[in-house]
Amino acid sequence: GNSVTQMEGPVTLSEEAFLTINCTYTATGYPSLFWYVQYPGEGLQLLLKATKADDKGSNKGFEATYRKETTSFHLEKGSVQVSDSAVYFCALSDEADQGAQKLVFGQGTRLTINP
Amino acid sequence: DSGVTQTPKHLITATGQRVTLRCSPRSGDLSVYWYQQSLDQGLQFLIQYYNGEERAKGNILERFSAQQFPDLHSELNLSSLELGDSALYFCASSATGYSNQPQHFGDGTRLSIL
Repeated sequence: GNSVTQMEGPVTLSEEAFLTINCTYTATGYPSLFWYVQYPGEGLQLLLKATKADDKGSNKGFEATYRKETTSFHLEKGSVQVSDSAVYFCALSDEADQGAQKLVFGQGTRLTINP
Repeated sequence: DSGVTQTPKHLITATGQRVTLRCSPRSGDLSVYWYQQSLDQGLQFLIQYYNGEERAKGNILERFSAQQFPDLHSELNLSSLELGDSALYFCASSATGYSNQPQHFGDGTRLSIL
């Protein structure tokens, strides 16, 4: 079945550091890929998405590029802020997977940014 | 604010009991999804409804059931509760249910079984 693997956390960085959170996937068809962020006590918020190979999703300084050849969708940000501290989830949706539009999530990566 | 409303925010109950979680999707969204978030299993898809009809089932126990009403709100019913059912339950909605559309999540209902 489809699956998503994220880099193990937790990740701790200093403010203004460069961030990369790795995400790789296995899918039957041609999935759409998403990054969601979860702040403490809140639900998941869509951060960015890409729906086909070579698409780049971007939002709030975060970027991720859909790489079909490496089945990856790594999240990057050039300069992180304390307010970026949260749990980040990589996810895919693949209609080839029995016609469902369900999201398959990675295990989440907890990010802490120190001032 | 995602526009998805879940009630209640917290539920505390005992083993063997039954509870109902409610979800109102974003205005105009026809598809509703339920997910369970637990420490050991992570985020797991439970079930999807589209315009009142069940569309897909995931790792949903037989003790759990759901429905989507004509006004598009949805309810998730959990019965014969066990300690292991303690988790955060999320509802999400999307416009039409195509896989390239993002799902918008509510803030969740935290269920604690004592």
